[in-house]
Order: sequence, then C-alpha cells, then structure tokens
Amino acid sequence: DGGITQSPKYLFRKEGQNVTLSCEQNLNHDAMYWYRQDPGQGLRLIYYSQIVNDFQKGDIAEGYSVSREKKESFPLTVTSAQKNPTAFYLCASSRSSGQGAKQVRYGYTFGSGTRLTVV
Amino acid sequence: GQQLNQSPQSMFIQEGEDVSMNCTSSSIFNTWLWYKQDPGEGPVLLIALYKAGELTSNGRLTAQFGITRKDSFLNISASIPSDVGIYFCAGQGGSQGNLIFGKGTKLSVKP
Repeated sequence: DGGITQSPKYLFRKEGQNVTLSCEQNLNHDAMYWYRQDPGQGLRLIYYSQIVNDFQKGDIAEGYSVSREKKESFPLTVTSAQKNPTAFYLCASSRSSGQGAKQVRYGYTFGSGTRLTVV
Repeated sequence: GQQLNQSPQSMFIQEGEDVSMNCTSSSIFNTWLWYKQDPGEGPVLLIALYKAGELTSNGRLTAQFGITRKDSFLNISASIPSDVGIYFCAGQGGSQGNLIFGKGTKLSVKP
C-alpha cells in the first residue's frame, strides 16, 4: 500500500546539535511539506517543495533546512539556530493539477509524525 | 501568515450528542478540507469540498462549503467515544496554493 513514512517516531537530542528528520512517500506525489505542531498553535508550515530540486520557505523556516534530491524524499534538518525545537513535526505530500494560481492541491496525506525533544 | 478562524476551540459532549464546528476566513478559498488527528498521530482526511455550496457526507460526518467560499462547517451526528480527537479545517488559498489550517477543535466525548 502507498503511504508516507516518517522516522523516527521519537527523537531526543542535546541542545546545540543538528538533527535530521526523515520523510519518505511512495504515492508518486509531486509536492511535499513540513509542518510544526505545538499545543494550541495548529499546524505551521516550515518548508514545502513542489518539484525535485526546488523548495520554498513557509511561515516559520528560520532555524530549519531541507533538501529535495528525490521525488520520494524530503528530509528536514533542525539546526542549532532553531531556538525552540521541541515540538511534533509532521510531513505531508499531495498531488496537484494545473499551474500557478489555478493549481489545485488535492487533500494532503500526512505521516504519523516525529516528536522531537531537545534536552 | 494567513489563518483560518476555527471554532469552538474545544468541546466536551456526552456520547450520542451531535457536534458542530466551523471555520471562517476573510479570503475566498477554492477548496475546503476537514481532517481528524488522533493523539500522537498525523491528521487523516475526513471530507474534501471543491465547489461552493457543496454538501458532502461521510458516514456520520457532514460538511459544507459555504456559498460565499469563505466558510465551512463540519457536523458529527450521534457522537461515539472514538470521535475523540482534534479536528482541523483547511482551505486552499494564497498565491502559492498551499493549504491554510485552522487551529483545531479538540473534541472530548463522555461515555
């Protein structure tokens, strides 16, 4: 069955260390996204990518970096510059049709999340 | 960034009761989606709406895409304990076409 896989489920890191969260999908979706979720804050967009080798900053990109070398993979690195990295991180993917302002993004498929705790 | 206003923020109901939640925006959306998130898991798509005025059901769930394209509601009939979770609305908007999410409605159901 097709799906989107995030790993690991739980991650503990010391303050000041960079850490990379994995996200892999076999849905043949073009677009992939990273969200951060904090209690009472909903989902906040960190980075997104519409095609391979291209990505854009979301609303809270500072202290994060991404790469999109393959269609299936969109890893997120939480750098030491992120001041408050402890959170629940969600990866998503979607298919789309059309271009630019007429593009329709069909319902996002989410992974099961990674809970990052920095101590 | 652009945000949706989702209400209520939380609900505590008795099993068997009906539930209603809604989202509003100052901007027009082309797509409205409703997701449910169980604790420690990612959101799962419940209902997708693509046309203004569209009314769609999925079992005990019913959602509508507002005529003005600036709002949507989700109703759950005859709630059961497994309905517990956080419900998010999402709309497609903005120049990049990314989904904008509401802050969620946390539903608690008392048996």
